[in-house]
Amino acid sequence: GIQVEQSPPDLILQEGANSTLRCNFSDSVNNLQWFHQNPWGQLINLFYIPSGTKQNGRLSATTVATERYSLLYISSSQTTDSGVYFCAALVNTGNQFYFGTGTSLTVIP
Amino acid sequence: GAGVSQSPSNKVTEKGKDVELRCDPISGHTALYWYRQSLGQGLEFLIYFQGNSAPDKSGLPSDRFSAERTGGSVSTLTIQRTQQEDSAVYLCASSLRPPYNEQFFGPGTRLTVL
Repeated sequence: GIQVEQSPPDLILQEGANSTLRCNFSDSVNNLQWFHQNPWGQLINLFYIPSGTKQNGRLSATTVATERYSLLYISSSQTTDSGVYFCAALVNTGNQFYFGTGTSLTVIP
Repeated sequence: GAGVSQSPSNKVTEKGKDVELRCDPISGHTALYWYRQSLGQGLEFLIYFQGNSAPDKSGLPSDRFSAERTGGSVSTLTIQRTQQEDSAVYLCASSLRPPYNEQFFGPGTRLTVL
């Protein structure tokens, strides 16, 4: 399988601050997703982004498949953004998504 | 239904007992995935179904774990002779047929083995 690494592992932000989360993957992928796991454990889809850039409100994501990384940008953070952010990559030759170990974000008022 | 559903939401069992966990995927989704998440950890892949067949069972941790899917819809994950290390949240996801592989997750089943 491939290795999926996320950084930073933990992040504490003041409300209103911006942040960038990174996901590196060790092989070619044909799909990449970003999820937010809320405090109740539900995984919420943020982006389905095998390549390019997408934006949704205060969140945006960029995947550079040729360089094997993806970035998630959070602007003007809010306390409700707290939780764990996971990226998951699907390799070109397989059916299994490989998850990173997550970035735990805490936004303080 | 509107989303992926799982039942039960919580299950407490005694060591050595068998348990069955159920997943109802989004209508029309042909691919179904099971994952396990231990406390404070990432997601561990267990098994993938395309229709009723399981081309990838590589993640099942032992022969005590099995899964089936009938009618291309509902899936059941069975754990026999449960052990304390099986305690975790079991998550199910579904997606449209490949290459449209965006996964959508259910709320999970929290399994506690005493």
